Amino acid sequence: AQSVTQLGSHVSVSEGALVLLRCNYSSSVPPYLFWYVQYPNQGLQLLLKYTSAATLVKGINGFEAEFKKSETSFHLTKPSAHMSDAAEYFCAVSEDNAGNMLTFGGGTRLMVKP
Amino acid sequence: GAVVSQHPSRVICKSGTSVKIECRSLDFQATTMFWYRQFPKQSLMLMATSNEGSKATYEQGVEKDKFLINHASLTLSTLTVTSAHPEDSSFYICSARSPGTGNTEAFFGQGTRLTVV
Repeated sequence: AQSVTQLGSHVSVSEGALVLLRCNYSSSVPPYLFWYVQYPNQGLQLLLKYTSAATLVKGINGFEAEFKKSETSFHLTKPSAHMSDAAEYFCAVSEDNAGNMLTFGGGTRLMVKP
Repeated sequence: GAVVSQHPSRVICKSGTSVKIECRSLDFQATTMFWYRQFPKQSLMLMATSNEGSKATYEQGVEKDKFLINHASLTLSTLTVTSAHPEDSSFYICSARSPGTGNTEAFFGQGTRLTVV
């Protein structure tokens, strides 16, 4: 069985500040991990995914995430927040590398203050 | 990336009625579609896997007679919530997988917020 925990349902940062969204997972098999973003009234968009290659994964819009097996974590970061980053972010785990049959975390709403 | 369209984006219905939600892949053919739901303040949970031309596979705890899934074509899957009750109020979202060798990426619709009154 797989599960995902996102710490913090709401995160607020100032524009230009570091963004850190936390994700911890549980999996009985080597996991494939994903971060998705959802802007208002839009579908989920894939930000990045870890598929057992490099542990530091770079995604779109300047986001990156680091897979740490010892900590069972896959935290999402961005050095400098933009107003356009305000959205809902979901961490997810899957048994395949394409993002099918995902198990999601509860989501974190990122708010960016001017 | 590929586009998946979900309709309607919001729907309010009376208790006891049925509601149909459509999920369309606009620029690719989807052999497999997935239906998820998210209750308030909870995670997105996989409900069922829908394969074109065959019966859907439901996750444990999901009533197949209540949540009817039809995947009659390679571009359309529908989820019908039958005899809806207020506890069915939720956010429903679909994803579609493009055909190809191996595991291809799944693309998401924008979701449907169902409110049963």
